[in-house]
Amino acid sequence: AQKITQTQPGMFVQEKEAVTLDCTYDTSDQSYGLFWYKQPSSGEMIFLIYQGSYDEQNATEGRYSLNFQKARKSANLVISASQLGDSAMYFCAMSPRGWGKLQFGAGTQVVVTP
Amino acid sequence: DGGITQSPKYLFRKEGQNVTLSCEQNLNHDAMYWYRQDPGQGLRLIYYSQIVNDFQKGDIAEGYSVSREKKESFPLTVTSAQKNPTAFYLCASTHPLGGNYGYTFGSGTRLTVV
Repeated sequence: AQKITQTQPGMFVQEKEAVTLDCTYDTSDQSYGLFWYKQPSSGEMIFLIYQGSYDEQNATEGRYSLNFQKARKSANLVISASQLGDSAMYFCAMSPRGWGKLQFGAGTQVVVTP
Repeated sequence: DGGITQSPKYLFRKEGQNVTLSCEQNLNHDAMYWYRQDPGQGLRLIYYSQIVNDFQKGDIAEGYSVSREKKESFPLTVTSAQKNPTAFYLCASTHPLGGNYGYTFGSGTRLTVV
């Protein structure tokens, strides 16, 4: 069975600083996909970034980067230059082979302060 | 624009009633999913369907039912057997290629038992 662990229930970060959100996972699959989603208070799920288990390079999308350490089974999200609009809940998720049903972590609440 | 439409946005249910949540997509995606989210928690999979006229139970299917008569539609019925239905419900679909194309989510339905 797959399991996603996000150990940081909440964190404060100052505007313009970088923040790292932790995510570890457990799976026996050799091929899988890792995702990060942002959920603002409105409830919508916003796709941020994807990392395939066979991708050698860490994924980046604008201010978001994924620090993928396969041997340690971790997929931390780094948000650079935090903005007030980054305040939201952030979820790490995994799916087998990069598609199929998503398994979510419990999430990390991020609050960006001026 | 393509996307997923969930309706209604808010739904109130009396004890003992069945209610149906609508999910429609115009993305031509084969796979569709229903997730439940309780306050401050991650998403849990209720049901999913990979093709028309076929669906599988997720992790918390008890008290719920679904149908998939058309590719575009995947309605979820919350039955009176669901003991604690108050939650936020999200519908999603997957691009056939999965991976970096991600999962598209609807804007959700907040169900409250009164």
